[in-house]
Amino acid sequence: GAGVSQTPSNKVTEKGKYVELRCDPISGHTALYWYRQSLGQGPEFLIYFQGTGAADDSGLPNDRFFAVRPEGSVSTLKIQRTERGDSAMYLCASSLTAGLNSPLHFGNGTRLTVT
Amino acid sequence: AQTVTQSQPEMSVQEAETVTLSCTYDTSESDYYLFWYKQPPSRQMILVIRQEAYKQQNATENRFSVNFQKAAKSFSLKISDSQLGDAAMYFCAYVGVGQFYFGTGTSLTVIP
Repeated sequence: GAGVSQTPSNKVTEKGKYVELRCDPISGHTALYWYRQSLGQGPEFLIYFQGTGAADDSGLPNDRFFAVRPEGSVSTLKIQRTERGDSAMYLCASSLTAGLNSPLHFGNGTRLTVT
Repeated sequence: AQTVTQSQPEMSVQEAETVTLSCTYDTSESDYYLFWYKQPPSRQMILVIRQEAYKQQNATENRFSVNFQKAAKSFSLKISDSQLGDAAMYFCAYVGVGQFYFGTGTSLTVIP
């Protein structure tokens, strides 16, 4: 079956611009996670959704970052007034539930470069 | 707060040999899971193995096994009969309630 799909795979934008990153989870997965991964680092938690609501957004670094999942499936991570420090790989993952035993299934990521 | 530490930024192993990747974690919870993920150059994170904290028996998946020491909060990954396709970044992950925490990763090189 289809896995987690992230688009675009690469995004280059100028400092100060607005970007949207899209994640299409595995069908039927209720939990959806966004992570940011800098070069040589492990994934850093940003936000996770259980259904349509953000169950935990404590990882969002500041108010320029926002994410939505209006119908409980596709999610969009939005970054306003991008800065060079936002350059990273943005990973999306989904799981069947948010339970302890439910492993994450990752997409291929979106590599964001802010020039 | 939960933390996950991988103290080996890089490791190498001869093809067909065995290698062990270390991971320690810190938590005050009693019920949790631990995972190892692999991230090859293609960059997609792939689940390798999982361990339930309340199970004393170490998890095994083919050539991959773990040494889980709950009291020591240690969760190492052993790869037996290493293959060239095992070359990747390996991340240890702790999951508590609704949250996955990842270590900084170990880059594994397999030498032909």
